Amino acid sequence: DAGITQSPRHKVTETGTPVTLRCHQTENHRYMYWYRQDPGHGLRLIHYSYGVKDTDKGEVSDGYSVSRSKTEDFLLTLESATSSQTSVYFCAISESTYNEQFFGPGTRLTVL
Amino acid sequence: QKEVEQDPGPLSVPEGAIVSLNCTYSNSAFQYFMWYRQYSRKGPELLMYTYSSGNKEDGRFTAQVDKSSKYISLFIRDSQPSDSATYLCAMKSPRRGGGADGLTFGKGTHLIIQP
Repeated sequence: DAGITQSPRHKVTETGTPVTLRCHQTENHRYMYWYRQDPGHGLRLIHYSYGVKDTDKGEVSDGYSVSRSKTEDFLLTLESATSSQTSVYFCAISESTYNEQFFGPGTRLTVL
Repeated sequence: QKEVEQDPGPLSVPEGAIVSLNCTYSNSAFQYFMWYRQYSRKGPELLMYTYSSGNKEDGRFTAQVDKSSKYISLFIRDSQPSDSATYLCAMKSPRRGGGADGLTFGKGTHLIIQP
């Protein structure tokens, strides 16, 4: 998985609780992305980062926030989880916006 | 109209057959094209990356891009049972910012190679 780890790998939580997912890379790539994958929708971009403290929104950013204080770590936070945020979350990295993106193993999140 | 259309399958073929997987797209700004393979409960694995029209070959895999028709294909020769997976096409434009730095994916085609 191209030096990308995600934690936790599985999480079950209750509606209204905060949740933070972590992506860690050892490739020193500038760009990091968070996607969610849902049946019938495929993979959709939530947020991404193009450098430390530089982030931008994707297609489905409502209800999510991100932070990147170090090159190697990109955090995705659900401030108050809802059942519609039950999904599989994937982190990806790339050297630049024009390079290939490599994906992590994913985090399976269930919001009850 | 969805930006990227991909037949979900399942597509079932016998071992050793040539497999053809396809995507069509509507956004003429897309210039970079990728194919990913995804096994069940795993992350997408990059197979091919191309940014020009024509063919690109890597082992048993050939990626084909026709920008004039907005159509991309992935061919798998001498298919093996281990090729059974979901295949995702993805693409992006050169545009920066506003979410354009991310990939736009097809929904994936489920491929089954019968031994």
